[in-house]
Formats: sequence, structure tokens, C-alpha cells
Amino acid sequence: EDQVTQSPEALRLQEGESSSLNCSYTVSGLRGLFWYRQDPGKGPEFLFTLYSAGEEKEKERLKATLTKKESFLHITAPKPEDSATYLCAVQAVPDSWGKLQFGAGTQVVVTP
Amino acid sequence: DAMVIQNPRYQVTQFGKPVTLSCSQTLNHNVMYWYQQKSSQAPKLLFHYYDKDFNNEADTPDNFQSRRPNTSFCFLDIRSPGLGDAAMYLCATSVSRGGTDTQYFGPGTRLTVL
Repeated sequence: EDQVTQSPEALRLQEGESSSLNCSYTVSGLRGLFWYRQDPGKGPEFLFTLYSAGEEKEKERLKATLTKKESFLHITAPKPEDSATYLCAVQAVPDSWGKLQFGAGTQVVVTP
Repeated sequence: DAMVIQNPRYQVTQFGKPVTLSCSQTLNHNVMYWYQQKSSQAPKLLFHYYDKDFNNEADTPDNFQSRRPNTSFCFLDIRSPGLGDAAMYLCATSVSRGGTDTQYFGPGTRLTVL
């Protein structure tokens, strides 16, 4: 059965303290891996799509990387406005259409 | 700006009283999705429309129905809400189904059941 597991569940950082979030997945074949940011009481906001192992994408202080079994979201020198829940989702190849399998997310709090 | 809009943002209903949530999009996307998200949990897909073709997830309760009268609008009907249906309901859209088309989400409707 396809599974997406995110760790840690929660992360508390001081402003400027870099860290990484993990998304591990078990699928027969990966079509794409998506990262979203979700602020409290709002819908997920798209960040990145990764397609193949070794791929990296960056946006401001965020950098996403992908291996054959997991993805990392690196937050470099975070600011309080980076506080949010970060969701990872995968699309598996055997699916006949692009259904997303979501992880439960990592809640990040950045304190000044 | 092209976007996904959900109304209302907050909905309070009584146990067993039918409720309808609304989603509209200006992206002209072919696919519209409804997700349920409970606190600290992953979004759970309820169903999706690919154009007018309705696709229900196997574990979506019969209590949940959907309508898509045109490309821009999609509705989620909960026929007899129970306390366990209190959640955030998210609408999303994508250009097409399959491939790796990105899903874009609306702001959500927070449903409270009294």
C-alpha cells in the first residue's frame, strides 16, 4: 500500500536556525512529489513539484530535494513568516490518474 | 488574479441539517476536487469531477454528494451532517487529470456541527 510519512510532526526553530523536514514515501513508482505550505485556517499553497531522484528546487529560503525513497525540505535562516504546516504529497505511477497521497504534515514554528 | 474561491469560509450547522458548500474557479481548469481535512491530519480526497465525469472515492460516505453545474462551479452537499463531519473542506482544481498537473487549492470552508 502506498504510504507517505512526514517527520518530525512539529518543529520549533529560532529565527535564523536552519533545519530540514523529511517526507518518506513508499510507492510502486513515483510520478511526482509535491510540497505545499498551509497556514492555519487556510488552504494549501503550492510550493514545488519534483519528478526524479537528484532533482532540486529552490524558492527564497526553501529548497526541496528528492531521492528514491524520500524528499527533504530545507529551510535556510528561517523567519517568523515561514511558520506554517508543510505538506508533502505524491502521485504514484500505477494510478490511472493524478491522485495525490498526502502526508500529515510538519508544523513549523519560527520564533524571533 | 485567477483563483479558487470557496464560500462560505465558515459554516455552522446543526446535527442532521443539510448543508451545501460552494467552490468556484476562474482558472478554467477541467478538474475539480473536494477534500476533507481534520485537525492535524492529511487532506482526504472525497471525490473529483473531470469535466462532467463524477468520480467518487470508495470510502466516501453516501452522506456526501457533489454537483458541478458548469466548468466554474462545484458544490459539496452533506445530507445529514454528523458530529464527525466537522472539518475543513478544501476545494482544489487542476488543468487535467493524470500527468503531474498541479492541484491548486481554495482557502477552505470550516464546518462546525452543533
